[in-house]
Amino acid sequence: EDQVTQSPEALRLQEGESSSLNCSYTVSGLRGLFWYRQDPGKGPEFLFTLYSAGEEKEKERLKATLTKKESFLHITAPKPEDSATYLCAVCPNTGFQKLVFGTGTRLLVSP
Amino acid sequence: DGGITQSPKYLFRKEGQNVTLSCEQNLNHDAMYWYRQDPGQGLRLIYYSQIVNDFQKGDIAEGYSVSREKKESFPLTVTSAQKNPTAFYLCASSQAPQGGDTQYFGPGTRLTVL
Repeated sequence: EDQVTQSPEALRLQEGESSSLNCSYTVSGLRGLFWYRQDPGKGPEFLFTLYSAGEEKEKERLKATLTKKESFLHITAPKPEDSATYLCAVCPNTGFQKLVFGTGTRLLVSP
Repeated sequence: DGGITQSPKYLFRKEGQNVTLSCEQNLNHDAMYWYRQDPGQGLRLIYYSQIVNDFQKGDIAEGYSVSREKKESFPLTVTSAQKNPTAFYLCASSQAPQGGDTQYFGPGTRLTVL
């Protein structure tokens, strides 16, 4: 069964304190791995798509990496506005665009 | 501005009522999706449509219905058969239905059963 596990469930950081969020997955062939940011009461906002092991993508203070079993979202010198829930999803090799989502990591960055 | 709009933002339903959630996109995307989000759970796929006049059941389609008469519109009806409809509903679209294409989400509709 295709599955995504995100850890930790919640993370509290001080402003400027770098850390990483983990997304572990088991999937029958990976077509893509997606990271989204979701603010309370809003829809997920797309951050990154990764397609193959070894791939890395960066955007401002965020960097996403991918291995054959997991992905990391590295947050460098976070600011309070980075506080949100970060969602990871995988697209299995099923023939259509079905995403399997993890339950997310709630990040709180304190000033 | 290109994007996905959902309406209403908040919706209240009485027991036994059917309600319809609206989803419109002006991204010229072929594929559209409906997800349900509950606290502590990942997003779950209700229905998806790869092309106009065609749609398929997702993992939790019971108690829901959809239509896709226009490329830009994919309304979701929550019927009285849905036993626990209180949730946050998200509509998404992607350029093409093939796997690996990025899905973009709308702002969501929060449905509450009174």
